[in-house]
Amino acid sequence: DQQVKQNSPSLSVQEGRISILNCDYTNSMFDYFLWYKKYPAEGPTFLISISSIKDKNEDGRFTVFLNKSAKHLSLHIVPSQPGDSAVYFCAVLRGSTLGRLYFGRGTQLTVWP
Amino acid sequence: DGGITQSPKYLFRKEGQNVTLSCEQNLNHDAMYWYRQDPGQGLRLIYYSQIVNDFQKGDIAEGYSVSREKKESFPLTVTSAQKNPTAFYLCASKGQETANTGELFFGEGSRLTVL
Repeated sequence: DQQVKQNSPSLSVQEGRISILNCDYTNSMFDYFLWYKKYPAEGPTFLISISSIKDKNEDGRFTVFLNKSAKHLSLHIVPSQPGDSAVYFCAVLRGSTLGRLYFGRGTQLTVWP
Repeated sequence: DGGITQSPKYLFRKEGQNVTLSCEQNLNHDAMYWYRQDPGQGLRLIYYSQIVNDFQKGDIAEGYSVSREKKESFPLTVTSAQKNPTAFYLCASKGQETANTGELFFGEGSRLTVL
């Protein structure tokens, strides 16, 4: 039973444009929402997170939006760069489960020149 | 430098053999995790440990075993009972500084191929 769904397995965007990656979750009790970036044959690296009490968090070119009523999370990258090409995983945390993260299946982002 | 070290990076084994993947961290983190990644499946939790000498099953623990005798080390054994062991295995840890936000620090991964 998937707690987190990333329905788009891939996304292709031109360099300089906005990339929007989406994520839906099932449980309204989740406390934190995270995005990880992963290159092939490497471990994921933390990108950005947002608490359930906020609806937006920004860090440079990366902004995460949280819509709790829709149980929807999105990551905006602007402007997109070729180095952003990677798999992006959405993850959710429920604090009562001692920090256990649930991951989505990932979205492969390709940024072309 | 502090970090998580997984070894070996690539491993080939014959069907029916047990394999142990190493994970060592010098971040002084209490919690450690093992995930498995398959194409199109995302990251699935195998086992995790919050403190030394204690660990819990994740979502796909069947065919795997772990130990946590030292804070720094959390080895994963893939046994012959695991039906589809070929995968990319990721070890992660978490410290008190990110206990509430869930942020995990990942190793570089180990690619296991069973022939």
